[in-house]
Amino acid sequence: GESVGLHLPTLSVQEGDNSIINCAYSNSASDYFIWYKQESGKGPQFIIDIRSNMDKRQGQRVTVLLNKTVKHLSLQIAATQPGDSAVYFCAENPSKGQNFVFGPGTRLSVLP
Amino acid sequence: KAGVTQTPRYLIKTRGQQVTLSCSPISGHRSVSWYQQTPGQGLQFLFEYFSETQRNKGNFPGRFSGRQFSNSRSEMNVSTLELGDSALYLCASSLGPTETYNSPLHFGNGTRLTVT
Repeated sequence: GESVGLHLPTLSVQEGDNSIINCAYSNSASDYFIWYKQESGKGPQFIIDIRSNMDKRQGQRVTVLLNKTVKHLSLQIAATQPGDSAVYFCAENPSKGQNFVFGPGTRLSVLP
Repeated sequence: KAGVTQTPRYLIKTRGQQVTLSCSPISGHRSVSWYQQTPGQGLQFLFEYFSETQRNKGNFPGRFSGRQFSNSRSEMNVSTLELGDSALYLCASSLGPTETYNSPLHFGNGTRLTVT
C-alpha cells in the first residue's frame, strides 16, 4: 500500500489498551475539527467531528477532546483493536467556506 | 449510498505529459475538494468547487486546474507533468456550507499518479 508518511510520529499500544492521539492546531479562529483514519491503500475515513462550542464529543469507542485555550485536540480510542492500526489525521476548518487544513498525522500501531 | 469514486486508481505518465483525474461525489453532495498527498508534505489543499464554481484555491502552480460539472462530478488536470507531481491525489465531497457552518469531507480512495 501507499506510504502516507516516512517520518510520522508513531504511537504503539497493546491490543485492548486505550490510545490517545494528540494534535496541535494552528488557527485560533478555527471552529470545526475532524479526525480521520487512513489505512494503507485507502483515502482518509471520517471518524468523528467536533465544533468549537463543545469541548468533548463521544462516538463508538472514540472520544474527541477540544481545548481551545491551548489549541489542542485529542482523539481517545478505547480498547484498541488491531483494526485500529492506521494513520490518524486531525483537520481544522478556520471558518465557514474555507478549506480544511490537515495535520501531519500520527501512525498508530497496535501490538498483539 | 455509494461513496466518492475516483478514476483511474493508478496512472503512470512521463514528464511533460498532461493528465486528467476524475471524481464522482456522493449523491447530493455539491462541494468537491481536491488534495495532494505526499510523504514529505502530507495532505495539501489544491482547490474546491461548489455549484460549478471554484470557491477556494491552494498554493499550487497554474499547471494544476480543475472544473466541476452540473451533476457535481469533478475533474482535475495537471499539465506539463514534473517528477515532483508524483503523489496520491484525493478527492473529497461534502454537502457544502450551510448558513452557519461547514460540513465534513468524505474522501475517495485516490488516484496514485507516478511521473517518470
